[in-house]
Amino acid sequence: AQTVTQSQPEMSVQEAETVTLSCTYDTSESNYYLFWYKQPPSRQMILVIRQEAYKQQNATENRFSVNFQKAAKSFSLKISDSQLGDTAMYFCASRSGGGADGLTFGKGTHLIIQP
Amino acid sequence: AAGVIQSPRHLIKEKRETATLKCYPIPRHDTVYWYQQGPGQDPQFLISFYEKMQSDKGSIPDRFSAQQFSDYHSELNMSSLELGDSALYFCASSSPRRMGSRAEQYFGPGTRLTVT
Repeated sequence: AQTVTQSQPEMSVQEAETVTLSCTYDTSESNYYLFWYKQPPSRQMILVIRQEAYKQQNATENRFSVNFQKAAKSFSLKISDSQLGDTAMYFCASRSGGGADGLTFGKGTHLIIQP
Repeated sequence: AAGVIQSPRHLIKEKRETATLKCYPIPRHDTVYWYQQGPGQDPQFLISFYEKMQSDKGSIPDRFSAQQFSDYHSELNMSSLELGDSALYFCASSSPRRMGSRAEQYFGPGTRLTVT
């Protein structure tokens, strides 16, 4: 079984600032994947970034990057130059590498970008 | 680019009625997943299908069943609806396994089910 923990229910930062969202996970799998999903007020689930556990290099997608600490089972998301459109719920998720396994989500962090 | 299609987008049912939700995956995606997201909750995995066979099972109630058809679309059938079934139901799809099991899951817009 996998568990995902997000300890920050809500965060608020000013536009253009950098913000880091925390996530820790636990799994007995040796092959697994980690994701960050964004859910804006429209409730659409949008994939932000993906990290394969076997890769040491941290994933980066434009203004979004992760800090993957495998030994500590930590997977934080950094958003640089935050924009008003980044306001959303952010969910950290994990899945095993078995193929069609479902995602296990954390409780989410509500990120508010202030103008 | 084509996305996951879900229908209907909104559905209102009464207690003890049945409901059927439909999901059309992204073209050439062969794996479908169903999730339930209650108000203020994170999405909970229900069930997945790969090549029309059930692949993984999560917290799906016995009152619910699902299947995947030859054209890869999937349907979630919900019977004896309860007030607690009111939620946003997401379908997600991922690309073929031969492309690597790291395939991401892409979510549809969801079906909002209200049980009164």
